[in-house]
Amino acid sequence: DTGVSQNPRHKITKRGQNVTFRCDPISEHNRLYWYRQTLGQGPEFLTYFQNEAQLEKSRLLSDRFSAERPKGSFSTLEIQRTEQGDSAMYLCASKSGQINEKLFFGSGTQLSVL
Amino acid sequence: QKEVEQDPGPLSVPEGAIVSLNCTYSNSAFQYFMWYRQYSRKGPELLMYTYSSGNKEDGRFTAQVDKSSKYISLFIRDSQPSDSATYLCAMTSNTGNQFYFGTGTSLTVIP
Repeated sequence: DTGVSQNPRHKITKRGQNVTFRCDPISEHNRLYWYRQTLGQGPEFLTYFQNEAQLEKSRLLSDRFSAERPKGSFSTLEIQRTEQGDSAMYLCASKSGQINEKLFFGSGTQLSVL
Repeated sequence: QKEVEQDPGPLSVPEGAIVSLNCTYSNSAFQYFMWYRQYSRKGPELLMYTYSSGNKEDGRFTAQVDKSSKYISLFIRDSQPSDSATYLCAMTSNTGNQFYFGTGTSLTVIP
């Protein structure tokens, strides 16, 4: 159990560029969550997967954001045509499918859009 | 009204003090309650996890849940400079699908 792994740790991009982040969850966890966090705020839910199925997306999630988990293992989050308002920490978390199991976070990807 | 309310602080205490962090919530369906510690530019680290009402102790940390008042607390005894971080409360219902977070309380423990 090596924990939730996220890459890259930091990403600096210019406005209008596309970016993609990767998350490798804890191996036996079938649920995977993406959150966004800005300074002074708690994590804001973006979307979550159970195995390869994307079960829920935040209504606040722009159509520029897309997430995949093609084989039910790692996941990618892509942001197209980035805007300065997308600058934030993007956090991935995973848990098993059991109701009372704990949610574990990765170290996050810090995105800066110039 | 937000699902979870948490005083953002900042809170500054001398080393050795007892710290009390609190959250209130509005959804009576919440059954599982968590406290995370987050250092600057790092991901949240799970500290405490409790189910329903009651107390849970782990070393210098005690989590309390009062479901009748929809109020949860985290107490830190003998606070250390290494406890300086942001503390997030989080909770979920019996379905365990969605997690709701407070905004976090920033704590500084002064040596």
